[in-house]
Amino acid sequence: RKEVEQDPGPFNVPEGATVAFNCTYSNSASQSFFWYRQDCRKEPKLLMSVYSSGNEDGRFTAQLNRASQYISLLIRDSKLSDSATYLCVVLRGNNDMRFGAGTRLTVKP
Amino acid sequence: EAQVTQNPRYLITVTGKKLTVTCSQNMNHEYMSWYRQDPGLGLRQIYYSMNVEVTDKGDVPEGYKVSRKEKRNFPLILESPSPNQTSLYFCASRRNSGANVLTFGAGSRLTVL
Repeated sequence: RKEVEQDPGPFNVPEGATVAFNCTYSNSASQSFFWYRQDCRKEPKLLMSVYSSGNEDGRFTAQLNRASQYISLLIRDSKLSDSATYLCVVLRGNNDMRFGAGTRLTVKP
Repeated sequence: EAQVTQNPRYLITVTGKKLTVTCSQNMNHEYMSWYRQDPGLGLRQIYYSMNVEVTDKGDVPEGYKVSRKEKRNFPLILESPSPNQTSLYFCASRRNSGANVLTFGAGSRLTVL
């Protein structure tokens, strides 16, 4: 079993839709959590960190459930420019950063 | 501009021909790391370095070497490349303290024939 698991998708949604991605992690010692965005053939870039109380950045909302070892990302009012692969990232200790394989999103006109 | 620079961006080589992928960062980051990305497997760590002259193996170090003689540079060396090392490689850096946010280079696509 992978340490960080994501639904690979692809998710195909119309513009304006709300879409949610889920991620589960297996190591309960994980301390920090992130969502990265990766455009096709480009490098991953930080989208947002995920805080225990949940956090929002514009149309994006991230939530963490430590008891269930589950992280989510909600995108409201999807734009064409949101089309990308979304990577769930979990950090244990000072170095042990684990990446999910990513969930691919395509937003269509 | 704060960045991580990798070279070459694209390389096609043959089995056994030694190659080096360079990585340089201008942000004075202590931590640097190399990853490979393969379809369905996500990013897997090859080697990392917490600071100058300190390097450690990641999850998939076999067939690779690294060095960290200067803070800004962290080259990845393939002494005898094999076809199973065909992949997309990313170098990344961050500070050792604080938000633990990685900055990635643009990637190096390597094909070993």
